[in-house]
Amino acid sequence: AQTVTQSQPEMSVQEAETVTLSCTYDTSESNYYLFWYKQPPSRQMILVIRQEAYKQQNATENRFSVNFQKAAKSFSLKISDSQLGDTAMYFCAFVGLRNAGKSTFGDGTTLTVKP
Amino acid sequence: GAVVSQHPSWVICKSGTSVKIECRSLDFQATTMFWYRQFPKQSLMLMATSNEGSKATYEQGVEKDKFLINHASLTLSTLTVTSAHPEDSSFYICSARAQGQGETQYFGPGTRLLVL
Repeated sequence: AQTVTQSQPEMSVQEAETVTLSCTYDTSESNYYLFWYKQPPSRQMILVIRQEAYKQQNATENRFSVNFQKAAKSFSLKISDSQLGDTAMYFCAFVGLRNAGKSTFGDGTTLTVKP
Repeated sequence: GAVVSQHPSWVICKSGTSVKIECRSLDFQATTMFWYRQFPKQSLMLMATSNEGSKATYEQGVEKDKFLINHASLTLSTLTVTSAHPEDSSFYICSARAQGQGETQYFGPGTRLLVL
């Protein structure tokens, strides 16, 4: 079974600065997808970024980028130029191709951006 | 694109009644939808996988007779909480998997259920 670990329950960052959220996972599969989702106070889950395991290049989406280390099974999220609207709970998720598309979520990291 | 809606967003009901929650993919077809339950400040707990035209697959510990799932079309899945009790009060979220988008799931806005 896959596991996803987010070791930082809470983090804070000053507006305009950079923050990195960590995520590690465990799997025996070689082909899979990794995701970061954001859940603001409205509780709507929003896709932040997606990474295919077979791609070596780290995914980026504007101010969001990942550091994907497949051998180390690490998938951290970097948020640059943090904005107040980035305040949310962030979930790392794993989807293996052998598991009918089911996602395994980490416990989440609550990020607070301070003005 | 890839919008998922849920209805209702908020429901309060009396103990013993049944509540139906709808999940719709508005601009894409979803052969697979997922139902989650989330407690405050916790992660999402997968309840079941809903496949169009077939029976849902429930996770261990989830009562299939209590949480009835129907996926009658490629754009609609429903979750019915039967004979609801206060312990069923929670936040329920659905997601839909979009074909051809690498296992990406798009989430509905969630339904807050309060059973009195």
